[in-house]
Amino acid sequence: EIVMTQSPATLSVSPGERATLSCRASQSVSSNLAWYQQKPGQAPRLLIYGASTRATGIPARFSGSGSGTEFTLTISSLQSEDFAVYYCQQYNNWLPGTFGQGTKVEIK
Amino acid sequence: EVQLVESGGGLVQPGGSLRLSCAASGFTFSSYAMSWVRQAPGKGLEWVSAISGSGGSTYYADSVKGRFTISRDNSKNTLYLQMNSLRAEDTAVYYCAKDRTAVSDWYFDLWGRGTLVTVSS
Repeated sequence: EIVMTQSPATLSVSPGERATLSCRASQSVSSNLAWYQQKPGQAPRLLIYGASTRATGIPARFSGSGSGTEFTLTISSLQSEDFAVYYCQQYNNWLPGTFGQGTKVEIK
Repeated sequence: EVQLVESGGGLVQPGGSLRLSCAASGFTFSSYAMSWVRQAPGKGLEWVSAISGSGGSTYYADSVKGRFTISRDNSKNTLYLQMNSLRAEDTAVYYCAKDRTAVSDWYFDLWGRGTLVTVSS
């Protein structure tokens, strides 16, 4: 099973600042990496797939990069609605498609 | 409207059974693989089970294999999860989730709001 490790666990950022979240895979997942946003009491929302492609309706301030084992989600200028938990998920080696443990982005 | 609506959660004793349902609307249900993903209280996401669009292929996490059964009724646009021999560690919000494309990519662009399953005596 591929293990996905996200860092940091919590990121404190001021509105308008840039946030950089990391996700590392225990073995290569090529570009088969998705990012999700989850707000309290809500279902996850797909942000990024294919490591760098924004899902439908996702603002341009969200960007993804990386391949192989190292991936980054960048939020260029944090808005109030962006404070949430972010998960990465690999889908290269299915069964199972594993998620990272999440990074909480909180207001500084 | 494109949506998924789960139902069937509740409180069940250890060793008991429960069947979850997920009603889909707004898209061609039979074209897409579907999954169940769960989230224990205060924890992260864990994929549980998946099924191909036709229902001919099913997949399970090791933690539920032999206890849970995924199925679908494409005539009713509904996904199911039969959960038997439930354990305290199965306590979670269970989400149904739709594959983004019809090619079974195994990542999810549509999620339901979830249904809470609590296993406790």
